[in-house]
Amino acid sequence: NAGVMQNPRHLVRRRGQEARLRCSPMKGHSHVYWYRQLPEEGLKFMVYLQKENIIDESGMPKERFSAEFPKEGPSILRIQQVVRGDSAAYFCASSPVLATFSGANVLTFGAGSRLTVL
Amino acid sequence: DQQVKQNSPSLSVQEGRISILNCDYTNSMFDYFLWYKKYPAEGPTFLISISSIKDKNEDGRFTVFLNKSAKHLSLHIVPSQPGDSAVYFCAASYSGGGADGLTFGKGTHLIIQP
Repeated sequence: NAGVMQNPRHLVRRRGQEARLRCSPMKGHSHVYWYRQLPEEGLKFMVYLQKENIIDESGMPKERFSAEFPKEGPSILRIQQVVRGDSAAYFCASSPVLATFSGANVLTFGAGSRLTVL
Repeated sequence: DQQVKQNSPSLSVQEGRISILNCDYTNSMFDYFLWYKKYPAEGPTFLISISSIKDKNEDGRFTVFLNKSAKHLSLHIVPSQPGDSAVYFCAASYSGGGADGLTFGKGTHLIIQP
């Protein structure tokens, strides 16, 4: 039973290019979360999605960033016109139901995608 | 404004001794706390959690203590083993917070020395 799969593991982009990060949740999980870890920082929530729906995007920058979780295929975090400040590790997590953190559900994280913007 | 604080960026402990990692929080709405462990080039993995209705939760070598009045929790690892060397993140959430209720600290890098 594969865990949360993220690809690419490493991505290098020049300023102004687009970055696409993919996340396949664990089998049976229908909820996906994206977190970003900047250097020397903790993980910051970005967006929470269910299939075909964005539930909470309160942590997403207003511009250049978008996320989707289509009916078929992986969730995608898209960063347009990347800047150096976008360089970070982007982690995807999944859960089978709403993660109320009551003890029954905790988030399972992928290994992350490290984006470097030159 | 950091709502979850881990004030020690790193901690060095001798193998076999007790490791104590500390975490402070400011938001009194938090009612659930988690510890995640992260190795280099891997994602965080869930370690142990505690509800605000408890003051202690134990799982093998790992024990988490919660002091609500002080808004402080700690993770005790005893005895410490070389494989425990990792970055430990404290996280907190509140029931009404939904997905964005999981707030992480900056992490503490635990180094277990032989």
